[in-house]
Amino acid sequence: DQQVKQNSPSLSVQEGRISILNCDYTNSMFDYFLWYKKYPAEGPTFLISISSIKDKNEDGRFTVFLNKSAKHLSLHIVPSQPGDSAVYFCAASEGPGNQFYFGTGTSLTVIP
Amino acid sequence: NAGVTQTPKFRVLKTGQSMTLLCAQDMNHEYMYWYRQDPGMGLRLIHYSVGEGTTAKGEVPDGYNVSRLKKQNFLLGLESAAPSQTSVYFCASSYSLSSYEQYFGPGTRLTVT
Repeated sequence: DQQVKQNSPSLSVQEGRISILNCDYTNSMFDYFLWYKKYPAEGPTFLISISSIKDKNEDGRFTVFLNKSAKHLSLHIVPSQPGDSAVYFCAASEGPGNQFYFGTGTSLTVIP
Repeated sequence: NAGVTQTPKFRVLKTGQSMTLLCAQDMNHEYMYWYRQDPGMGLRLIHYSVGEGTTAKGEVPDGYNVSRLKKQNFLLGLESAAPSQTSVYFCASSYSLSSYEQYFGPGTRLTVT
């Protein structure tokens, strides 16, 4: 049973606009959350993280929001750039020493 | 500094054949992982290692074996390949099990006919 879900397989956004990628989880014990970005024929690369003690973490154009009561996190990219076109995976873990569970990914296309 | 490398990049096997996938990292990381990625399933952990000479099962270990004889290498073996093992395999490494960031290799696309 998928503990981390990304219900939107794909998303298209105009360059300069905001991209919002969503992720839901079912395990209330999850404590750490990550976003990875993946280009074709490459491995995923780490993008941004958040722990459950925070509800927001920002890094440049990328912001991750965590809503623990709704078991939901989202990644905001603003402004979106064509180079952001990739597959984005969210991942969650119960904390140190525990494995990460990955979502199925959302393919983002930023249209110039 | 090559990061994480995987050999081979592509492979086609017949049912029942065996093969070994090699992962190498040059970052002196203690922890290494093998994942598989299937359509609609995300990345799922097969096996992982917390140090040289140690291995542990992940979420989907059946049909696979692993070995970590050297700190920098993590091998994934398929003793008798099955069509259900057709997948893209990713190796990753991290400084520690609690490190947020895992560094991934480019992947191996395996097809079992």
